[in-house]
Amino acid sequence: GNSVTQMEGPVTLSEEAFLTINCTYTATGYPSLFWYVQYPGEGLQLLLKATKADDKGSNKGFEATYRKETTSFHLEKGSVQVSDSAVYFCALSDKRDYKLSFGAGTTVTVRA
Amino acid sequence: EAGVAQSPRYKIIEKRQSVAFWCNPISGHATLYWYQQILGQGPKLLIQFQNNGVVDDSQLPKDRFSAERLKGVDSTLKIQPAKLEDSAVYLCASSSTGYEQYFGPGTRLTVT
Repeated sequence: GNSVTQMEGPVTLSEEAFLTINCTYTATGYPSLFWYVQYPGEGLQLLLKATKADDKGSNKGFEATYRKETTSFHLEKGSVQVSDSAVYFCALSDKRDYKLSFGAGTTVTVRA
Repeated sequence: EAGVAQSPRYKIIEKRQSVAFWCNPISGHATLYWYQQILGQGPKLLIQFQNNGVVDDSQLPKDRFSAERLKGVDSTLKIQPAKLEDSAVYLCASSSTGYEQYFGPGTRLTVT
């Protein structure tokens, strides 16, 4: 079956530091990949997505590249801000039925 | 465009009591999902509706959970009787294409 494994947290960074959250997946077929973000007290918001190998998703300074050879979709941001403090979820969607499978989430705290 | 609405935002009940959650999806979205998010885990799909028909309820504990989507718009999720392990955030999401899901703010349930 489909599954997502992401880096365990929590992660604590200083403002302007570089952020990487690792995500690897197992899937039958050729899934679409997503990063969702959950700010305190809010629902999940789609941060970025990629639908095929070598696609790069980007939004709000975050980037992730769909790597089929390593089955990975690592999230990166070059300079984090306090407002980036949130829980980040890696997810995949099976293109046959669009069902989302989520990782466990990584809590990121950015200190001023 | 209004987002996915959910109510209540918070609910505290005692075990063996019943509880109901309400979701109003984005207008025109045919597909509606209910997820359970236990603390420290990623969301897990409970049930998926296409219009007012059930597409997938394989992960719904049917002995205590029920859900309906009347007229293919609003949906309610009910738990009766509740157990301690049902404490979680219940997320509703909707989609027009199946590919991209939009999430509501969630209902945080605490069972004591």
